[in-house]
Amino acid sequence: EVQLVESGGGLVQPGRSLKLSCAASGFTFSNYYMAWVRQAPKKGLEWVATISTSGSRTYYPDSVKGRFTISRDNAKSSLYLQMNSLKSEDTATYYCARHSLLLGALFDYWGQGVMVTVSS
Amino acid sequence: DIQMTQSPASLSASLGETVTIECRASEDIYNGLAWYQQKPGKSPQLLIYNANSLHTGVPSRFSGSGSGTQYSLKINSLQSEDVASYFCQQYYNYPYTFGAGTKLELK
Repeated sequence: EVQLVESGGGLVQPGRSLKLSCAASGFTFSNYYMAWVRQAPKKGLEWVATISTSGSRTYYPDSVKGRFTISRDNAKSSLYLQMNSLKSEDTATYYCARHSLLLGALFDYWGQGVMVTVSS
Repeated sequence: DIQMTQSPASLSASLGETVTIECRASEDIYNGLAWYQQKPGKSPQLLIYNANSLHTGVPSRFSGSGSGTQYSLKINSLQSEDVASYFCQQYYNYPYTFGAGTKLELK
């Protein structure tokens, strides 16, 4: 069974940093592109970052480019999101998600999410 | 960026009814479209991919259609467990973008 379990969320002041982690199990982690997707309270979904299987390629939307860094450790089946210079608008539930291997760049499994609150 | 315009924002329907949710892309996305269901307090789950293909384990009362810039999700014979929010997502091009969502409630 595919499982994605996020951790590391919490309350952080504007301008500070936070690192999220995602522990993956139930599949060969190193074979899949992985991603982070966030959802602000009572709002829609926003793709935040994607990383290739080896970690050599990363992709971000303009809203987080230069502030967020996605990384992975295939030996530990773990995904990370380093978030710097946090803003109030980064307040959201952050989901770890797996990109489909065969169906295109959609997200076929999601974690339960971790809440990040940016506030003074 | 490709903008995804989803409608309606909310929908109220009766058990057994058929409902349709629309999603319009700001440019051709060549069927690179997925639909997700998100139940209250849960994470999204994939329903449909490539605009019209049913993901494994999804009930056959769900179906997707469309092409170019216009896509739709249809739910036949609405069940109580279908109460949820539904989101479309284009994965044709970066940045991947989502529709704002449709909240489906029972009448």
